[in-house]
Formats: sequence, structure tokens, C-alpha cells
Amino acid sequence: GAVVSQHPSWVICKSGTSVKIECRSLDFQATTMFWYRQFPKQSLMLMATSNEGSKATYEQGVEKDKFLINHASLTLSTLTVTSAHPEDSSFYICSARGKAIENTEAFFGQGTRLTVV
Amino acid sequence: GENVEQHPSTLSVQEGDSAVIKCTYSDSASNYFPWYKQELGKRPQLIIDIRSNVGEKKDQRIAVTLNKTAKHFSLHITETQPEDSAVYFCAAVYYGNNRLAFGKGNQVVVIP
Repeated sequence: GAVVSQHPSWVICKSGTSVKIECRSLDFQATTMFWYRQFPKQSLMLMATSNEGSKATYEQGVEKDKFLINHASLTLSTLTVTSAHPEDSSFYICSARGKAIENTEAFFGQGTRLTVV
Repeated sequence: GENVEQHPSTLSVQEGDSAVIKCTYSDSASNYFPWYKQELGKRPQLIIDIRSNVGEKKDQRIAVTLNKTAKHFSLHITETQPEDSAVYFCAAVYYGNNRLAFGKGNQVVVIP
């Protein structure tokens, strides 16, 4: 299948700083990217959906000013956690899907473990 | 948006037995239903999907059935093996809104 690469795999940051996570589709054009947050032994909580060149659509309860999403090209989307706090510590994972007439498979990155101290 | 419920949350089966996971959805406009498998420490991967114009789809030991009237779809795993132990996520997607939101997941444990 297609490859989606997420970077970094893990990051530790101080409270109050911002962290940027990258999600790249390596061998296909990702017209849509999804960002999720996953707590231990819990579901993939959809945070936002971004389409290349458009503003991201955020899920209810997700602060768009806190979690900045940019999808500037067909191979790259970024999630920036601004002014991070310990409660933002979590596993963040992206997935990407190419353009299709109907829904097709979304490929996941390997995820980023964020720890805010 | 679409609301997907998965049950049971945890399922333990003896190796060789069958496992069935059921998802219900709320939006009758949903027309695409994928199942993803996430093994411990790994990324989710698509294992099977079905579209609304089909009632059943099978791929070796895995099958998915869709009941549009009742708005539920199920994952069937036959002859379970230890490597089937994982968390399984379902989603119900309407192409028009391009939103891929998952249910809470089912932890399947295959007991050797």
C-alpha cells in the first residue's frame, strides 16, 4: 500500500511551547488528510479533516487556535500544538487519502507521541 | 455528523473459533464502511471495506456484511489465529462530507 510518514515519532516539550508534527504522503498525492488523537486503549478521536489548499474542518470541541492544521501541498500536512500543556500529552496520528470519485483507503502515519512537561 | 457505535468493546475467543464485531451507524446517507485493524504499537491498517450497493464482501478469513435497513454492519473473522488479536475500528462515511470518524474500537483477544 501507499506510505505515509509522520515526524517526529516522539517529542518532549516544555509547557507553554509549541510543537509541530508533519505528515507526508511519500508516493501518492493526498488530497485529504485526517488528524487524530488517541489515548491509551482508546479510540482514534478525529480532530480535523483537511483538504489541500483549504482550511481544515475541525470536529466539535477541538480548538482550532490550539491545534493549527496546514495542508499547503498534496504531500504535506502539519499539526502545530500551540502553547502546549500537560493535558495535551497524547498520541497524535495522521492519515491521508488520495483523490477518488468514491471513498478509498486512508493510509496512516506511524504516529507521534507528545509529552508535555 | 455520523455517529458510529461498536460492540462488544472487548471480545475474547478461542483460537480457531469465529469472532463477530458489530457496528451501528446513524446517518442513512453513509455509503462507505471500512474496517481498520490496529495491532499493539502499530498504525491502523485497512483490512476490508464495503460500499452501500453491496450486502456482503469476503476476503479469505475476513468478511463484512451490511444491513442498510437496520443501519448496521459487521466484521466476521473465521478460524481465528493469535495474530488476529488487535483493536478493530469501524467507520461509516458519506462521500459528500469526506469525514473519516471511527467508532470506539473493539479489542479482540484470541486465546491460544
